[in-house]
Amino acid sequence: EAAVTQSPRSKVAVTGGKVTLSCHQTNNHDYMYWYRQDTGHGLRLIHYSYVADSTEKGDIPDGYKASRPSQENFSLILELASLSQTAVYFCASSHWGTSAETLYFGSGTRLTVL
Amino acid sequence: GQQVQQSPASLVLQEGENAELQCNFSTSLNSMQWFYQRPGGSLVSLFYNPSGTKHSGRLTSTTVIKERRSSLHISSSQTTDSGTYLCALETGANTGKLTFGHGTILRVHP
Repeated sequence: EAAVTQSPRSKVAVTGGKVTLSCHQTNNHDYMYWYRQDTGHGLRLIHYSYVADSTEKGDIPDGYKASRPSQENFSLILELASLSQTAVYFCASSHWGTSAETLYFGSGTRLTVL
Repeated sequence: GQQVQQSPASLVLQEGENAELQCNFSTSLNSMQWFYQRPGGSLVSLFYNPSGTKHSGRLTSTTVIKERRSSLHISSSQTTDSGTYLCALETGANTGKLTFGHGTILRVHP
């Protein structure tokens, strides 16, 4: 069974602080994604990556950076956290990056910015 | 405007009743997927269904490209079906980038 692990499970941050969300997959997948989910809304893509040391912008990249130091690890970085970034963040992975295959999601990180 | 519209926003059923969830999209379609999200939990893929009808147990997904819609039918609902159902369409060819609808929150009472 494919596994995507996110850490931390929840975090409280202060406005203006730096936040790093981590994602680790043991699936040997090439593609990894970061989505955010706001209450009552679907998921929106922030950044994604299809190879180590390279990241691509998604639909809402402003205020976020991403880092893919290895195939297994993909981080989301908020350099200056803001109130509007309070949300649940999901990491996902897939093998080939086509929607014909299953996308495996982590359990999510609940981020609260105060 | 939003590319993916889901309806209804929420639905309450008595156990044993059927449900029909709708997803309408305003852009051309590469593919359509349905996901299930348990309350406070992660997402699980239910169907990849770019066109036609697919079945999985009590679930049936039908996508009609020309009409720009996809539906998810749940028959004989159970309390364990409660949660949020999200549809998503692929917007970038062969990138796996998905645009999600806002979801339908389903509550099934015993």
